[in-house]
Amino acid sequence: EVQLVESGGGLVQPGGSLRLSCAASGFTFSDYWMHWVRQAPGKGLVWVSRINSDGRSSSSADSVKGRFTISRDNAKNTLYLQMNSLRVEDTAVYYCARDFAVAGYDAFDIWGQGTMVTVSS
Amino acid sequence: EIVLTQSPGTLSLSPGERATLSCGASQSVNRYLAWYQQKPGQAPRLLIYDASNRATGIPARFSGSGSGTDFTLTISSLEPEDFAVYYCQQRSNWPITFGQGTRLEIK
Repeated sequence: EVQLVESGGGLVQPGGSLRLSCAASGFTFSDYWMHWVRQAPGKGLVWVSRINSDGRSSSSADSVKGRFTISRDNAKNTLYLQMNSLRVEDTAVYYCARDFAVAGYDAFDIWGQGTMVTVSS
Repeated sequence: EIVLTQSPGTLSLSPGERATLSCGASQSVNRYLAWYQQKPGQAPRLLIYDASNRATGIPARFSGSGSGTDFTLTISSLEPEDFAVYYCQQRSNWPITFGQGTRLEIK
């Protein structure tokens, strides 16, 4: 079964850090670009960051650039999101999502169940 | 940044009726538009990619159309499980953006 399972969410104070993980199974992880998408409580979807299949190229939304870093370990079939200098407005469910096609397509066909990040004092 | 505007915000219909959801882009996205369905407490599910192509396993009652700046998602005959929030998403220009969503509720 193709599956993505996120972990690492929790409660953190403003200015703090958190690292999210996304464990992939059921497909050849190293073939696919991967993304993080977030959703604030009661709000819509917002794309956060993406990384190409070998991990050498990435991009992020302006709202998180310089604070969040996406990375991957293809040997461990795991995607990461290192989040630093967290702000209250970063509070959201964070989903990892698989790109629709190999070589990058920028749509998302497989999603994890999400992990909640709450930034509050 | 391309802004996607979905209408209506909420659509109230009965099972068996036809649903028409709209997504307008602030500039042309060619046909690089996708649609997702999200139910409460669940992750989104890809329905349509490249404006009109159904994703794997998506029932034929779901169809997409449009190009440029105007797109439509049509559900031909609503089933009880179709009541959810629907989002459009463009991949034409960086950054990837989503619409604000249309809530499809049971009348």
